[in-house]
Amino acid sequence: AQKVTQAQTEISVVEKEDVTLDCVYETRDTTYYLFWYKQPPSGELVFLIRRNSFDEQNEISGRYSWNFQKSTSSFNFTITASQVVDSAVYFCALSEAYNQGGKLIFGQGTELSVKP
Amino acid sequence: ETGVTQSPTHLIKTRGQQVTLRCSSQSGHNTVSWYQQALGQGPQFIFQYYREEENGRGNFPPRFSGLQFPNYSSELNVNALELDDSALYLCASSSRGLAGELFFGEGSRLTVL
Repeated sequence: AQKVTQAQTEISVVEKEDVTLDCVYETRDTTYYLFWYKQPPSGELVFLIRRNSFDEQNEISGRYSWNFQKSTSSFNFTITASQVVDSAVYFCALSEAYNQGGKLIFGQGTELSVKP
Repeated sequence: ETGVTQSPTHLIKTRGQQVTLRCSSQSGHNTVSWYQQALGQGPQFIFQYYREEENGRGNFPPRFSGLQFPNYSSELNVNALELDDSALYLCASSSRGLAGELFFGEGSRLTVL
């Protein structure tokens, strides 16, 4: 069975601190996709990144970076120099490769609070 | 480009009633998925529609049903409401083939009393 675990329920940091959100996944598939979504208080989930299981290169986008390690089944997300606007709930998610569309398995989410 | 819109944004029902939630997908997207998000939890997949047919279903009972229309908009219907159905219902649209790049609406918050 597929499963995504985000062990950190809540994280609180002060602005400009770096913060890493952990994600561990389980799947029997050899080909799959991993995602991070952000959910601000307004409710809609905002897509941040998609990574397929064959691409273990780390990715950096501005202050965001992602570390994918197949050996430990982890896909961690780091925000560098956090800002108050980063405050939101962040979800890690997993999708089977053959799924041609919208079935994602989400973790429980990590609520990030960035204080000024 | 028009985003995903959902209606109503909030509604209150009593146990045993029926509810219909609506979703307009983003322009150019042909697949719609519905998710249920209980308070403090991650979204759970209900089902997905492609070309007006259900194309994948999560672990939800038959009283959760849906429709997709020729313009790719969609409805989620829930019959015989239970207290545990209280949740945020999220609609997401996507283009088939781009697995997981979902564009979500702001959701419909349902409270069942």
